[in-house]
Amino acid sequence: SQTIHQWPATLVQPVGSPLSLECTVEGTSNPNLYWYRQAAGRGLQLLFYSVGIGQISSEVPQNLSASRPQDRQFILSSKKLLLSDSGFYLCAWSMYSNQPQHFGDGTRLSIL
Amino acid sequence: QQPVQSPQAVILREGEDAVINCSSSKALYSVHWYRQKHGEAPVFLMILLKGGEQKGHEKISASFNEKKQQSSLYLTASQLSYSGTYFCGTETGYGGATNKLIFGTGTLLAVQP
Repeated sequence: SQTIHQWPATLVQPVGSPLSLECTVEGTSNPNLYWYRQAAGRGLQLLFYSVGIGQISSEVPQNLSASRPQDRQFILSSKKLLLSDSGFYLCAWSMYSNQPQHFGDGTRLSIL
Repeated sequence: QQPVQSPQAVILREGEDAVINCSSSKALYSVHWYRQKHGEAPVFLMILLKGGEQKGHEKISASFNEKKQQSSLYLTASQLSYSGTYFCGTETGYGGATNKLIFGTGTLLAVQP
């Protein structure tokens, strides 16, 4: 069966520091991968998605970037964090259209 | 543009029914429904494809009206475990390989004993 791993679960970072969040999927090949951000009490905002290695589509201009160095690995990065980058970051995977998206447990990021 | 869900919040007693609506300004290819409990990741409930399909999952079912660009989630005989925030995720136009979803504004459902 397929599983998705996301880490760390919580992270506290100072303003201006770099960021790297990692997500890996097991049990499937060539999945679609997604990064979402959820502000407190709000909905899910799609940040990036990828349909293959090295293929990244950005949905919202921002201080973040994403990379997919391997088929089942998706990384969210920032060179300098802003206070507005705080939130709950979720990685998800799916196969093609009309298929469910399955979410990782998320990373709660606080910027001080 | 983000789909609008109504109501924003609803409080129920165990055993009562609820309807959550999801309305889009764009033509929809499919609608996904998810439930998210506080502090946790969203969990998939069901997918509906264009064609007015209706689906069921235990005591939770949903309909999709393609012409009205709307979907509704029906929760019958609610249980305490139904509490959480419900999101619709919409796919506008055939997304092909991307399966890209735009999530709605969310509906907070609280079921009380």
